[in-house]
Amino acid sequence: QQPVQSPQAVILREGEDAVINCSSSKALYSVHWYRQKHGEAPVFLMILLKGGEQKGHEKISASFNEKKQQSSLYLTASQLSYSGTYFCGTERGGYQKVTFGTGTKLQVIP
Amino acid sequence: DVKVTQSSRYLVKRTGEKVFLECVQDMDHENMFWYRQDPGLGLRLIYFSYDVKMKEKGDIPEGYSVSREKKERFSLILESASTNQTSMYLCASSPLSGTQYFGPGTRLLVL
Repeated sequence: QQPVQSPQAVILREGEDAVINCSSSKALYSVHWYRQKHGEAPVFLMILLKGGEQKGHEKISASFNEKKQQSSLYLTASQLSYSGTYFCGTERGGYQKVTFGTGTKLQVIP
Repeated sequence: DVKVTQSSRYLVKRTGEKVFLECVQDMDHENMFWYRQDPGLGLRLIYFSYDVKMKEKGDIPEGYSVSREKKERFSLILESASTNQTSMYLCASSPLSGTQYFGPGTRLLVL
């Protein structure tokens, strides 16, 4: 069953912050985040493991609440290059079988 | 750099044809995956393989089969293409635990 992402789409001005949420009805082993720019392949952002800490890279970070089976992706001081569709993927265990959500389309405008 | 290549970027086939989509990775990854991507539906897993000659069904395997005879190559087969299989097909590979690396995709149109 696909995880549910929200919002489905968001438009930001440069410098604004955004949060993308991902929730599952099943217990999770890990959550993956990818970004796909228009016409390109998805690119890995980060993995959050059960029992792990909040991860981050520069102005993009994420958290994983195991009890609630939820993850959130935080984009701080957004840049034009952040535009794209963000996918969360949930893994319940074994061989990296990841089930992806339907995506959140994020557009950053000047 | 990890490289995942797919045999075609664009493909046009007729209903009923047998279609082969090829994927090759150059990083000796154990896992390989086939997804299809449709507007509003995200990435849906068709099949994956965790070793040579090993395969597991994903979430939407109906109408598809796969073959993995060599570690670096994973093929997706549409036995008898139908118009509802028109889609973007993405291949990915990963080590046993870690990042999935995606290929550029094959946009398939079935007429």
